[in-house]
Amino acid sequence: DTEVTQTPKHLVMGMTNKKSLKCEQHMGHRAMYWYKQKAKKPPELMFVYSYEKLSINESVPSRFSPECPNSSLLNLHLHALQPEDSALYLCASSPLDLGLNTGELFFGEGSRLTVL
Amino acid sequence: DAKTTQPPSMDCAEGRAANLPCNHSTISGNEYVYWYRQIHSQGPQYIIHGLKNNETNEMASLIITEDRKSSTLILPHATLRDTAVYYCIVRGYGNKLVFGAGTILRVKS
Repeated sequence: DTEVTQTPKHLVMGMTNKKSLKCEQHMGHRAMYWYKQKAKKPPELMFVYSYEKLSINESVPSRFSPECPNSSLLNLHLHALQPEDSALYLCASSPLDLGLNTGELFFGEGSRLTVL
Repeated sequence: DAKTTQPPSMDCAEGRAANLPCNHSTISGNEYVYWYRQIHSQGPQYIIHGLKNNETNEMASLIITEDRKSSTLILPHATLRDTAVYYCIVRGYGNKLVFGAGTILRVKS
């Protein structure tokens, strides 16, 4: 299984809603990532988890809250978002050696979020 | 991580080789060159990576100049399905992969 599965594929939410994006992989990868991609722009790194611990936060606003409950799952909790947060949210995973160096990233198909 | 410079777009005839250039003049000795592509409405897909030797796999070849300041991704026989945005990324030790603007490759019949 070389897939990264993201759910839901599409999400529409109001600015007062609380929702979550989910990501799952069964490749035994110990690094997992969240990226945000606006239309016609490259993906932007948001968060990196290494061995279920948050290792990188690219100064993301607190209305985005990541969670890694176990080595196969990664969540992104959303609360009080703004319309400008509408984007494609991509999850990725990669192998991780003991030196914290990583191999290639495997990406999911993304969750397209619309904030009204 | 070193920055990269790629042309914004390129065209290629179907069946011909597509040669995508990338400049990374500030690359340091322990940084790798990675290539990913993103087909419309899909997640990015890993293609190939290298340090200083040329590399080849079932998808593409990567040619890195001797001074490592530039590289070229070669798709030997481009098909319509290769139409995508191609990202050249220089990545050092650690787990941060930062995308630049990329090159839009249009393969035409």
